[in-house]
Amino acid sequence: QKEVEQNSGPLSVPEGAIASLNCTYSDRGSQSFFWYRQYSGKSPELIMSIYSNGDKEDGRFTAQLNKASQYVSLLIRDSQPSDSATYLCAPKAGGYQKVTFGIGTKLQVIP
Amino acid sequence: DTEVTQTPKHLVMGMTNKKSLKCEQHMGHRAMYWYKQKAKKPPELMFVYSYEKLSINESVPSRFSPECPNSSLLNLHLHALQPEDSALYLCASSQDRTLGEQFFGPGTRLTVL
Repeated sequence: QKEVEQNSGPLSVPEGAIASLNCTYSDRGSQSFFWYRQYSGKSPELIMSIYSNGDKEDGRFTAQLNKASQYVSLLIRDSQPSDSATYLCAPKAGGYQKVTFGIGTKLQVIP
Repeated sequence: DTEVTQTPKHLVMGMTNKKSLKCEQHMGHRAMYWYKQKAKKPPELMFVYSYEKLSINESVPSRFSPECPNSSLLNLHLHALQPEDSALYLCASSQDRTLGEQFFGPGTRLTVL
């Protein structure tokens, strides 16, 4: 089993719709969870961090965490063509552990 | 200053060349990272420096040699690389190594001929 599982996509959604990106992880010691956005040819950019079970909202983005199910998701409301990118899920165990990146889900928002 | 800078943006080198990649941050971060990223793959951790000391080496071949001259600077020295080492090399920093909130530089696109 891979440490971090993401559907590589592409996930295509129409402009204005909700995009739902999902991630499962295998390390039950994971305590912190991060979503990075990476545009083609660019470097990753941190867009969300979530540390406790439940939802965390930041503008059009909502991260959802369920540690019991080892599942973290990212919802993007009112999707825009500028949201078209690859979204990397990155859980991290506590202490001096490294961040582990998933393969990323490619999102395409169709105008 | 909230950015990580990397130079050069692009680098083409032969297998016998010696070159260096440079990374700089002025956010007061005490952890700095080198990643390698191939097309359609996630970033792959190479090295972690924490408080200017090498704390993680992910079994990287010795033809890659990291250096952290001070808390703001990180270098990656390259020697006798192979064509398969061609990739995007990313530098990142975080407040300290316990945190996963990493800030990435724009990367150096390396081509080995």
